[in-house]
Amino acid sequence: KAGVTQTPRYLIKTRGQQVTLSCSPISGHRSVSWYQQTPGQGLQFLFEYFSETQRNKGNFPGRFSGRQFSNSRSEMNVSTLELGDSALYLCASSPDRHVYNSPLHFGNGTRLTVT
Amino acid sequence: QKEVEQNSGPLSVPEGAIASLNCTYSDRVSQSFFWYRQYSGKSPELIMSIYSNGDKEDGRFTAQLNKASQYVSLLIRDSQPSDSATYLCAVNSGDNDMRFGAGTRLTVKP
Repeated sequence: KAGVTQTPRYLIKTRGQQVTLSCSPISGHRSVSWYQQTPGQGLQFLFEYFSETQRNKGNFPGRFSGRQFSNSRSEMNVSTLELGDSALYLCASSPDRHVYNSPLHFGNGTRLTVT
Repeated sequence: QKEVEQNSGPLSVPEGAIASLNCTYSDRVSQSFFWYRQYSGKSPELIMSIYSNGDKEDGRFTAQLNKASQYVSLLIRDSQPSDSATYLCAVNSGDNDMRFGAGTRLTVKP
Protein backbone atom coordinates (compact mmCIF):
# COMPACT_ATOMS: atom_id res chain seq x y z
CA LYS A 1 0.00 0.00 0.00
CA ALA A 2 1.44 3.37 -0.94
CA GLY A 3 2.17 5.72 1.93
CA VAL A 4 1.24 9.34 2.42
CA THR A 5 2.62 11.47 -0.41
CA GLN A 6 3.44 15.12 0.02
CA THR A 7 4.50 17.50 -2.71
CA PRO A 8 6.69 19.35 -3.17
CA ARG A 9 9.47 18.18 -0.85
CA TYR A 10 11.19 21.55 -0.74
CA LEU A 11 10.04 25.10 -1.33
CA ILE A 12 11.79 28.43 -1.15
CA LYS A 13 9.58 31.50 -1.11
CA THR A 14 9.97 35.15 -0.24
CA ARG A 15 8.05 37.12 2.35
CA GLY A 16 4.62 38.18 1.22
CA GLN A 17 4.17 35.36 -1.26
CA GLN A 18 1.71 32.54 -0.88
CA VAL A 19 2.25 28.81 -1.10
CA THR A 20 0.14 25.69 -1.62
CA LEU A 21 1.19 22.29 -0.34
CA SER A 22 -0.38 19.03 -1.40
CA CYS A 23 -1.01 15.74 0.40
CA SER A 24 -2.33 12.42 -0.90
CA PRO A 25 -3.33 10.13 1.96
CA ILE A 26 -3.05 6.37 2.16
CA SER A 27 -5.75 4.75 0.06
CA GLY A 28 -8.92 4.35 2.13
CA HIS A 29 -7.93 6.94 4.72
CA ARG A 30 -10.48 9.69 5.02
CA SER A 31 -8.85 11.84 7.68
CA VAL A 32 -6.00 14.18 6.82
CA SER A 33 -4.22 16.27 9.44
CA TRP A 34 -1.61 18.95 8.94
CA TYR A 35 1.20 19.82 11.34
CA GLN A 36 3.92 22.42 11.43
CA GLN A 37 7.22 21.34 12.94
CA THR A 38 9.96 23.72 13.99
CA PRO A 39 12.98 23.07 16.22
CA GLY A 40 11.70 25.35 18.94
CA GLN A 41 8.00 24.48 18.93
CA GLY A 42 7.88 20.81 18.04
CA LEU A 43 4.81 19.47 16.27
CA GLN A 44 2.03 22.02 16.16
CA PHE A 45 -1.43 20.99 14.94
CA LEU A 46 -2.81 23.10 12.10
CA PHE A 47 -6.08 21.45 11.12
CA GLU A 48 -7.79 18.21 10.27
CA TYR A 49 -10.13 17.35 7.43
CA PHE A 50 -12.51 14.45 7.16
CA SER A 51 -14.84 13.86 4.24
CA GLU A 52 -14.10 17.32 2.82
CA THR A 53 -14.99 19.06 6.11
CA GLN A 54 -12.64 20.74 8.53
CA ARG A 55 -13.28 19.02 11.87
CA ASN A 56 -10.55 20.48 14.05
CA LYS A 57 -8.39 23.54 13.90
CA GLY A 58 -5.28 24.50 15.81
CA ASN A 59 -4.23 27.89 17.02
CA PHE A 60 -2.84 29.38 13.81
CA PRO A 61 -3.75 32.65 12.10
CA GLY A 62 -6.19 32.79 9.24
CA ARG A 63 -3.31 32.97 6.77
CA PHE A 64 -3.18 29.20 7.11
CA SER A 65 -6.03 27.44 5.36
CA GLY A 66 -6.76 24.11 3.85
CA ARG A 67 -9.23 22.01 1.98
CA GLN A 68 -9.94 18.42 1.16
CA PHE A 69 -11.24 16.99 -2.06
CA SER A 70 -13.69 14.16 -2.65
CA ASN A 71 -10.82 11.71 -3.20
CA SER A 72 -9.45 12.67 0.27
CA ARG A 73 -6.45 14.50 -1.16
CA SER A 74 -5.79 17.67 0.76
CA GLU A 75 -4.08 20.97 0.20
CA MET A 76 -2.98 23.62 2.60
CA ASN A 77 -2.33 27.21 1.70
CA VAL A 78 -0.31 29.85 3.48
CA SER A 79 -0.79 33.41 2.32
CA THR A 80 1.34 36.46 2.98
CA LEU A 81 4.31 34.39 4.06
CA GLU A 82 6.40 35.48 7.01
CA LEU A 83 9.93 34.46 7.96
CA GLY A 84 8.50 32.56 10.94
CA ASP A 85 6.56 30.29 8.61
CA SER A 86 9.79 28.52 7.70
CA ALA A 87 9.24 24.98 8.93
CA LEU A 88 8.66 21.38 8.02
CA TYR A 89 5.00 20.90 7.15
CA LEU A 90 3.76 17.40 7.76
CA CYS A 91 0.62 15.75 6.54
CA ALA A 92 -0.73 12.69 8.32
CA SER A 93 -3.57 10.42 7.36
CA SER A 94 -5.67 7.91 9.24
CA PRO A 95 -8.86 5.99 8.58
CA ASP A 96 -10.60 8.28 11.06
CA ARG A 97 -8.62 10.31 13.58
CA HIS A 98 -11.63 10.44 15.87
CA VAL A 99 -11.50 6.69 16.35
CA TYR A 100 -9.33 6.17 19.39
CA ASN A 101 -7.19 3.35 18.01
CA SER A 102 -6.48 5.07 14.72
CA PRO A 103 -2.85 6.20 14.60
CA LEU A 104 -1.56 8.86 12.26
CA HIS A 105 0.67 7.96 9.35
CA PHE A 106 2.95 10.78 8.25
CA GLY A 107 4.18 11.79 4.85
CA ASN A 108 7.77 12.85 4.20
CA GLY A 109 6.89 16.48 4.68
CA THR A 110 7.42 19.69 2.77
CA ARG A 111 10.29 21.84 3.96
CA LEU A 112 9.37 25.48 3.43
CA THR A 113 11.99 28.19 3.63
CA VAL A 114 10.85 31.80 3.60
CA THR A 115 13.51 34.40 2.79
CA GLN B 1 -4.59 23.08 28.61
CA LYS B 2 -4.11 19.40 27.87
CA GLU B 3 -0.42 18.66 27.88
CA VAL B 4 1.92 15.88 26.91
CA GLU B 5 5.29 16.15 28.59
CA GLN B 6 8.55 14.47 27.72
CA ASN B 7 12.12 15.03 28.85
CA SER B 8 13.83 16.69 25.91
CA GLY B 9 17.10 14.92 26.56
CA PRO B 10 19.45 14.26 25.09
CA LEU B 11 19.42 10.79 26.54
CA SER B 12 22.63 8.95 25.91
CA VAL B 13 23.03 5.21 26.41
CA PRO B 14 25.78 2.78 25.39
CA GLU B 15 25.16 0.21 22.70
CA GLY B 16 23.43 -2.87 24.11
CA ALA B 17 21.90 -1.03 27.07
CA ILE B 18 18.23 -0.42 27.78
CA ALA B 19 16.93 3.01 26.87
CA SER B 20 13.96 4.23 28.88
CA LEU B 21 11.81 7.05 27.54
CA ASN B 22 9.02 8.58 29.58
CA CYS B 23 5.93 10.60 28.86
CA THR B 24 3.23 12.08 31.08
CA TYR B 25 -0.12 13.48 30.04
CA SER B 26 -2.66 15.66 31.73
CA ASP B 27 -6.00 14.56 30.23
CA ARG B 28 -7.35 11.73 32.35
CA VAL B 29 -9.81 10.56 29.71
CA SER B 30 -7.12 9.91 27.11
CA GLN B 31 -7.72 6.60 25.42
CA SER B 32 -4.85 5.81 23.12
CA PHE B 33 -1.13 6.33 23.19
CA PHE B 34 1.49 6.15 20.50
CA TRP B 35 5.24 6.31 20.16
CA TYR B 36 6.80 7.71 17.02
CA ARG B 37 10.45 7.69 16.01
CA GLN B 38 11.81 10.58 14.00
CA TYR B 39 15.24 10.55 12.45
CA SER B 40 16.87 13.89 11.81
CA GLY B 41 15.38 15.50 8.73
CA LYS B 42 12.77 12.79 8.34
CA SER B 43 9.10 12.47 9.23
CA PRO B 44 7.75 10.67 12.32
CA GLU B 45 7.31 6.92 11.99
CA LEU B 46 4.86 4.98 14.15
CA ILE B 47 6.63 2.30 16.19
CA MET B 48 4.23 1.40 19.00
CA SER B 49 0.64 1.89 20.08
CA ILE B 50 -0.92 0.99 23.43
CA TYR B 51 -4.48 1.32 24.65
CA SER B 52 -4.78 -0.55 27.97
CA ASN B 53 -2.81 -0.60 31.19
CA GLY B 54 0.25 -2.80 31.31
CA ASP B 55 3.03 -3.72 28.94
CA LYS B 56 3.01 -4.31 25.23
CA GLU B 57 6.07 -5.83 23.59
CA ASP B 58 7.13 -5.72 19.96
CA GLY B 59 10.60 -7.03 19.29
CA ARG B 60 13.12 -4.90 21.18
CA PHE B 61 10.45 -2.33 22.05
CA THR B 62 8.14 -2.40 25.08
CA ALA B 63 5.49 0.21 25.73
CA GLN B 64 4.16 0.57 29.26
CA LEU B 65 0.96 2.37 30.20
CA ASN B 66 -0.26 3.40 33.64
CA LYS B 67 -3.49 5.38 33.33
CA ALA B 68 -3.83 5.91 37.07
CA SER B 69 -0.47 7.70 37.14
CA GLN B 70 -0.99 9.18 33.68
CA TYR B 71 2.28 8.07 32.22
CA VAL B 72 3.41 6.02 29.30
CA SER B 73 6.93 4.82 28.68
CA LEU B 74 8.95 3.17 25.95
CA LEU B 75 11.77 0.75 26.68
CA ILE B 76 14.28 -0.13 23.99
CA ARG B 77 16.29 -3.23 24.81
CA ASP B 78 19.70 -3.97 23.31
CA SER B 79 19.92 -0.40 22.02
CA GLN B 80 21.67 0.03 18.68
CA PRO B 81 23.27 3.12 17.12
CA SER B 82 20.48 2.97 14.54
CA ASP B 83 18.01 3.69 17.36
CA SER B 84 19.50 7.17 17.70
CA ALA B 85 16.59 9.47 16.91
CA THR B 86 13.98 11.67 18.52
CA TYR B 87 11.08 9.78 20.06
CA LEU B 88 7.70 11.45 20.14
CA CYS B 89 4.92 10.50 22.50
CA ALA B 90 1.40 11.08 21.16
CA VAL B 91 -1.83 10.96 23.13
CA ASN B 92 -5.34 10.82 21.73
CA SER B 93 -7.26 12.84 24.27
CA GLY B 94 -10.89 12.55 25.18
CA ASP B 95 -11.81 15.23 22.66
CA ASN B 96 -10.22 13.10 19.95
CA ASP B 97 -7.36 15.51 19.54
CA MET B 98 -3.99 13.87 18.92
CA ARG B 99 -1.41 15.74 20.98
CA PHE B 100 2.33 15.30 20.74
CA GLY B 101 5.07 15.78 23.24
CA ALA B 102 8.14 17.78 22.28
CA GLY B 103 10.16 14.60 21.90
CA THR B 104 13.17 13.02 23.59
CA ARG B 105 16.41 12.87 21.65
CA LEU B 106 18.15 9.53 22.12
CA THR B 107 21.78 8.87 21.27
CA VAL B 108 23.13 5.33 21.37
CA LYS B 109 26.92 5.33 21.52
CA PRO B 110 28.87 2.43 19.98
